[in-house]
Amino acid sequence: EAGVAQSPRYKIIEKRQSVAFWCNPISGHATLYWYQQILGQGPKLLIQFQNNGVVDDSQLPKDRFSAERLKGVDSTLKIQPAKLEDSAVYLCASSSLAANTGELFFGEGSRLTVL
Amino acid sequence: GENVEQHPSTLSVQEGDSAVIKCTYSDSASNYFPWYKQELGKRPQLIIDIRSNVGEKKDQRIAVTLNKTAKHFSLHITETQPEDSAVYFCAAGSNTGKLIFGQGTTLQVKP
Repeated sequence: EAGVAQSPRYKIIEKRQSVAFWCNPISGHATLYWYQQILGQGPKLLIQFQNNGVVDDSQLPKDRFSAERLKGVDSTLKIQPAKLEDSAVYLCASSSLAANTGELFFGEGSRLTVL
Repeated sequence: GENVEQHPSTLSVQEGDSAVIKCTYSDSASNYFPWYKQELGKRPQLIIDIRSNVGEKKDQRIAVTLNKTAKHFSLHITETQPEDSAVYFCAAGSNTGKLIFGQGTTLQVKP
């Protein structure tokens, strides 16, 4: 079974530029998450989708971050404009459960460096 | 808002000793408590989980205990081995599917 795919793996940009990350979850998984992991910290939930609807985006900085999951499969996370403090690994995860919480399967992550 | 506190932030043990990591959560609606292991530069991977209708769960050298009244849960690793060295994260989830992580514990097992 293929795992969660993310791209790009690495991205270096200057502040005020924009960047987009892509995630393809495990086939059939209804729930998709984007987490931000700053070096030395735990993953912080940015947004949670169930199929193509947003369940929780309370921690998403909506003035600069946006995410979508068209057709309930792939998802993209965009940052525009980027700030220095956005330097982090952006982890995408998926879960087979549509309700309740179960095991999350994480992708390899996209490491963003903002200069 | 929901919060998960994890302690200690770093833990160093001798090979063969036991290691204990503790977490507390704030959301009384939490009913799912997984533990993830993250090796350097790799993705977090589930090692054990427990639901709120169970007080303890064991899987070989790893066990998790849950005290719902006190809102805390713990990870116990016995007979530690160098390959157990990693960052461990606790998390708390609810019926919404939302999963909140703790800050992580860096475990070092010295040979």
